[in-house]
Amino acid sequence: KQEVTQIPAALSVPEGENLVLNCSFTDSAIYNLQWFRQDPGKGLTSLLLIQSSQREQTSGRLNASLDKSSGRSTLYIAASQPGDSATYLCAVNSGSRLTFGEGTQLTVNP
Amino acid sequence: DTEVTQTPKHLVMGMTNKKSLKCEQHMGHRAMYWYKQKAKKPPELMFVYSYEKLSINESVPSRFSPECPNSSLLNLHLHALQPEDSALYLCASSQTGTLNEQFFGPGTRLTVL
Repeated sequence: KQEVTQIPAALSVPEGENLVLNCSFTDSAIYNLQWFRQDPGKGLTSLLLIQSSQREQTSGRLNASLDKSSGRSTLYIAASQPGDSATYLCAVNSGSRLTFGEGTQLTVNP
Repeated sequence: DTEVTQTPKHLVMGMTNKKSLKCEQHMGHRAMYWYKQKAKKPPELMFVYSYEKLSINESVPSRFSPECPNSSLLNLHLHALQPEDSALYLCASSQTGTLNEQFFGPGTRLTVL
């Protein structure tokens, strides 16, 4: 059974800092990995999707990497802004379903 | 258009009520999903529809009844719910196949009294 872990559970940083969120998974037989953002009480916004054959994906200030063999992914956020404050979830697609981590709650202080 | 819409945004119902949640997408996706999310927890998969047919039911109690009347619509019919069913209900859609990216709606916040 796939298990997904996200570290840290919470992170508070000053504005402008670069930061890394970590995601690890137990079964490397995945099709892809998706990073989401969720604001309180809202739905999930897809940030980046990395296919199993890819090593990284970039969108603006976000860069996600994938090391399938070691079961790890990172989400790098450059020059963080208060508007980046949210919960970030990684989800692994092992077939017909996504398995989510518990999320990292990020607070960026002005 | 990468939008999934859900109605209503909020719903309060008693344990004897019957209500329905609605989800709609116009991205041509043929897979649609219902998730339940409790506070400070990740979403939990409830149901998956593929080509309008139920393909996954994660042992959800029968008081939740999904329906997919066409390729753009997904409903979740609710009856005789319990207070512990109060949660954020999220709908998502994707292309079928293993490389699918899922797109989520804003959710319906359900409170059962």
